[in-house]
Amino acid sequence: DVVMTQSPLSLPVTLGQPASVSCRSSQSLVHSDGHIYFNWFQQRPGQSPRRLFYKVSNRDSGVPDRFSGSGSGTDFTLKISRVEAEDVGVYYCMQATHWPPTFGQGTKVEIK
Amino acid sequence: QVQLVQSGAEVKKPGASVKVSCKASGYTFANYGISWVRQAPGQGLEWMGWISPNNGNTNYAQKLQGRVTMTTDTSTSTAYMELRSLRSDDTAVYYCAKGPRQFDPWGQGTLVTVSS
Repeated sequence: DVVMTQSPLSLPVTLGQPASVSCRSSQSLVHSDGHIYFNWFQQRPGQSPRRLFYKVSNRDSGVPDRFSGSGSGTDFTLKISRVEAEDVGVYYCMQATHWPPTFGQGTKVEIK
Repeated sequence: QVQLVQSGAEVKKPGASVKVSCKASGYTFANYGISWVRQAPGQGLEWMGWISPNNGNTNYAQKLQGRVTMTTDTSTSTAYMELRSLRSDDTAVYYCAKGPRQFDPWGQGTLVTVSS
């Protein structure tokens, strides 16, 4: 199975400051069809996961533009340009290029 | 809007079975697979498997093979996940999500507690 490794696992941030989460896969996530099936999810406390980005950098509807997704091959990044209180939660990366789909361990974002 | 609504919380004894439902609305159910993911208390997300409502094809996580069965009822746009021979470490919130790759949206989750 493809191993997804996130860092850091805990990310205390100051309101209004930027934040960045890294996700690395154990093998390239480029599918034979040319797409990269890589998603980012946000899970707020007590809620279901919510998809933020699909295919690396495609922002889902309703996701604020202070969030951005980037990367290629095996290295991917989620950035928040200015953290707001509603961004508190756990962020997961996930690959669905190779079967079975696998998730990162999660990065807990909290306010300092 | 696209929505997945799951059945309510369950409490089961070790060795019993549980069947969780996931009712879809807002899209053509047969055209998209349903994935199942679980989350143990305080832990991360674990993919359990996937089913195609179109033809009933399934793919299960290796560690659950033999204990899990996923089915669908296209007449009611509902997917089901049955887990048998429950153990204490099956205690988790179980989620359904649309698509084998999309995982969007997710259901609200169903807490399954396994306790004697």
